[in-house]
Amino acid sequence: AQTVTQSQPEMSVQEAETVTLSCTYDTSESDYYLFWYKQPPSRQMILVIRQEAYKQQNATENRFSVNFQKAAKSFSLKISDSQLGDAAMYFCAYRSARPSGSRLTFGEGTQLTVNP
Amino acid sequence: DAGVIQSPRHEVTEMGQEVTLRCKPISGHNSLFWYRQTMMRGLELLIYFNNNVPIDDSGMPEDRFSAKMPNASFSTLKIQPSEPRDSAVYFCASTYPGNAEAFFGQGTRLTVV
Repeated sequence: AQTVTQSQPEMSVQEAETVTLSCTYDTSESDYYLFWYKQPPSRQMILVIRQEAYKQQNATENRFSVNFQKAAKSFSLKISDSQLGDAAMYFCAYRSARPSGSRLTFGEGTQLTVNP
Repeated sequence: DAGVIQSPRHEVTEMGQEVTLRCKPISGHNSLFWYRQTMMRGLELLIYFNNNVPIDDSGMPEDRFSAKMPNASFSTLKIQPSEPRDSAVYFCASTYPGNAEAFFGQGTRLTVV
């Protein structure tokens, strides 16, 4: 079974600074997807960024980028120029690319605080 | 598109009562997930459907929980009888063929007193 681990229950960053959230996963599959979701106090789950395992290039979405290390099974999220609105719970997630469909497995989450 | 729609947004019920949570996935999506979120256990997958068929229900806590998807546009999660430890936020999410990420509803906050 696939597992996702986020070893940082809480992180904080100063506004305008950069922060990196860590995530590791365990799988025996070679084709899969990885995601970072953001959950603000409104509790809505918002997709931040996705990465296909077959792609070597790291995904980037504006101020958000990932460092995908397939061999190490590591998938970290970097937030640049942090803003107060980035404060939220961040979840790393894994999903197999099997055509028949598969579960989406989440890590424990990292609570990010942005200090003004 | 209206997104994934869950109802009710909030539910308060007494222990022993039946609770039914509802979900309307995004049109065209063929996979549907039910998750439960608590402080202690985080986000747990309860069950997921593919083309209206339950594929994995290993996360359903016990026989008190049941889920159905009678058609592609509607799913229910039922708890009977409810217990205080069922208090949590329940999310429904859906995804479409060939796409990986799941789109989430706004969740139902269930409180069992």
